Amino acid sequence: ETGVTQTPRHLVMGMTNKKSLKCEQHLGHNAMYWYKQSAKKPLELMFVYNFKEQTENNSVPSRFSPECPNSSHLFLHLHTLQPEDSALYLCASSHRDSHNSPLHFGNGTRLTVT
Amino acid sequence: KQEVTQIPAALSVPEGENLVLNCSFTDSAIYNLQWFRQDPGKGLTSLLLIQSSQREQTSGRLNASLDKSSGRSTLYIAASQPGDSATYLCAVGNTGNQFYFGTGTSLTVIP
Repeated sequence: ETGVTQTPRHLVMGMTNKKSLKCEQHLGHNAMYWYKQSAKKPLELMFVYNFKEQTENNSVPSRFSPECPNSSHLFLHLHTLQPEDSALYLCASSHRDSHNSPLHFGNGTRLTVT
Repeated sequence: KQEVTQIPAALSVPEGENLVLNCSFTDSAIYNLQWFRQDPGKGLTSLLLIQSSQREQTSGRLNASLDKSSGRSTLYIAASQPGDSATYLCAVGNTGNQFYFGTGTSLTVIP
C-alpha cells in the first residue's frame, strides 16, 4: 500500500468518550502533520513531528494528544471533546525542510462529537 | 503571521473554457507554494509545487505561476473538463514546516 492512510474514515463520539485517530505513511517521509479542516475556514495546523520529535504545537487544547512512535505512524488521541471539535482531521507527510517536497495528505477522518 | 487569500470563493464555467484561480499572501519570505485539489469528503491531492526561486511550474493542462514580490500566485487551467470540478487550495510554505492555507476556490465545470 502506498501513500498516506488514515483510519477510521468516520467517527462519532460522545463528549465523554476516548478515541484515537491513526495515520500511516509509506512514502519514506520524515515529517508528519495533523491538520483540522472546518467548514469555511482554512486548514489549521495542529501538530508537526520531525523525525518523531514534536516541533510544533499550535496552541491546541490538551484534549487532543498526539503520539508519533516512529516516522511512519502518527496518532491523535481524543478525550472529553466538545461539539465544536467536529471537523475533518487530516494527516499529511513530507520530507523535512525540503523546498521541493510537497505535502501528501490522507483522506481524513470525519469526526462528529455529539 | 502569514495570511493566504483565495479569490473567488466559487467559480462556475462551461466546459472547454480556460480559467485562472488566484492566491495572494502577505509575507513574501516563503520556501515554496503549493496548489492542491480536494474532492468532496476526501483529502488534498498535490497538483503543483513552486519553489521560492522559481517563477512557474506546469503539469499537463495546469500551469502555476509565482510572483513573490507582489505576494501572488495563479493557477491556470486550460480547456476545463467536468472532472476538474473540485475545490482548489493554495498553501504557502514558510520555515519550520509551517504551511499556511487559503480557504479555497470551489470550481464547477458545466458540461
